[in-house]
Amino acid sequence: KAGVTQTPRYLIKTRGQQVTLSCSPISGHRSVSWYQQTPGQGLQFLFEYFSETQRNKGNFPGRFSGRQFSNSRSEMNVSTLELGDSALYLCASSYLAGGSTDTQYFGPGTRLTVL
Amino acid sequence: GQQLNQSPQSMFIQEGEDVSMNCTSSSIFNTWLWYKQDPGEGPVLLIALYKAGELTSNGRLTAQFGITRKDSFLNISASIPSDVGIYFCAGRIRETSGSRLTFGEGTQLTVNP
Repeated sequence: KAGVTQTPRYLIKTRGQQVTLSCSPISGHRSVSWYQQTPGQGLQFLFEYFSETQRNKGNFPGRFSGRQFSNSRSEMNVSTLELGDSALYLCASSYLAGGSTDTQYFGPGTRLTVL
Repeated sequence: GQQLNQSPQSMFIQEGEDVSMNCTSSSIFNTWLWYKQDPGEGPVLLIALYKAGELTSNGRLTAQFGITRKDSFLNISASIPSDVGIYFCAGRIRETSGSRLTFGEGTQLTVNP
C-alpha cells in the first residue's frame, strides 16, 4: 500500500506570494492533518480534515487555509507569504478522525522557503 | 495549551549501547506515539501506545504508556549506526471534533561506530 504523498517536495517563493501544497493520503484513509515544522517551534498542528470538513484547527492565522476533496486528497494554502512561513509542511493521514486506536502516518513533507 | 517535555535533547552514544528517552506532560493523553525523523523526511511511526500501562516492543525498541497517562518512555537496545536521527514523542487527546497530535521537542541521537 502506497504511503502518504506530498507535492511538491520543495518550493521557493517570495514574500507576499501565495502557495498551495498537496497531500494524497494512504488509500482508504479519510482523515488528513497538516503540521508545520520549524527549528524554533518544532512540530505544530495546523488543521485536520475528515470527509471534506475541517474538524480541528490549530493556532495559526487565517492566511493558512485548507480543504479536502471527495477522494480524501487535501490541499493547504498559505496566502501573503512571510519570511517566517519558511518551514517543512507535513501531511499526516489516518483512517478515522480520533478513533481509539487511530494512528497518524506522515508524508515526506514539502520544504517551503520564503525569500 | 498542552506541552510535552521530552528529554534528553541530545544523546551521543557508542554503537551497542542502550538508549532511553522520555516525555512528560501536565495533561493527560489517551494515545502516545513515538516517531523517528531523518533529515529532510517526514516522521516515521515506530510505536503506538493506546492504554495506560501498556508496554510495547518493536524489534530493539520498547515503549511504555505511563500509568498516570502523563508520560511515556522509549528504550532502544544495542544501538546501531542507522539509529541516528531525531526521535519525537507525540500525545493525542481524543476530541469530539477530531484529533490532533502534540509533539515533544525531539531527541537528537548520534551513534558512534
